[in-house]
Amino acid sequence: KQEVTQIPAALSVPEGENLVLNCSFTDSAIYNLQWFRQDPGKGLTSLLLIQSSQREQTSGRLNASLDKSSGRSTLYIAASQPGDSATYLCAVLDSNYQLIWGAGTKLIIKP
Amino acid sequence: EPEVTQTPSHQVTQMGQEVILRCVPISNHLYFYWYRQILGQKVEFLVSFYNNEISEKSEIFDDQFSVERPDGSNFTLKIRSTKLEDSAMYFCASRELEAFFGQGTRLTVV
Repeated sequence: KQEVTQIPAALSVPEGENLVLNCSFTDSAIYNLQWFRQDPGKGLTSLLLIQSSQREQTSGRLNASLDKSSGRSTLYIAASQPGDSATYLCAVLDSNYQLIWGAGTKLIIKP
Repeated sequence: EPEVTQTPSHQVTQMGQEVILRCVPISNHLYFYWYRQILGQKVEFLVSFYNNEISEKSEIFDDQFSVERPDGSNFTLKIRSTKLEDSAMYFCASRELEAFFGQGTRLTVV
């Protein structure tokens, strides 16, 4: 059974720092992995999608990597800003076409 | 940019009442999902829908829940007799390769 783990559960850093959020999954048989952002009480916004055949995707200050064989993905945020404060979730699309979710990392960027 | 639309954004209902949550998925998508998130907790899978039928459902999705795609565009989640513990944010999603989520319906059962 696929399980997704995100570490750390919470992270607080000063503005301007670069940071890395981690996501690991137990079964490498995935179609893709997505990173989402969720603001408190709000919906889920897709940030980046990495197909199983890809190694990384970039969007602005965000870079996501995927190492399928080791069951890991990272989300790198460059030059963090207070507006980046949110919960970041990763989800894998498993072999049954189900999205399996991590519990998220709550990120706080201190001005 | 295409988006998934959910209505209403917030619904308050009395325990035991039926509620219908509505979603308009992205038009060329074939896979649809309902998820819920109880306040402060993890996103939980409810049901997936493909080719006009349920493809998978979780233990949460019991006989009180049902889904329909009544007119080829809307995708609805019905809860027949709401319980206090059904209070949560309900998210609809549709996908081809990438999954897109609606902004959610906050359901409050009183």
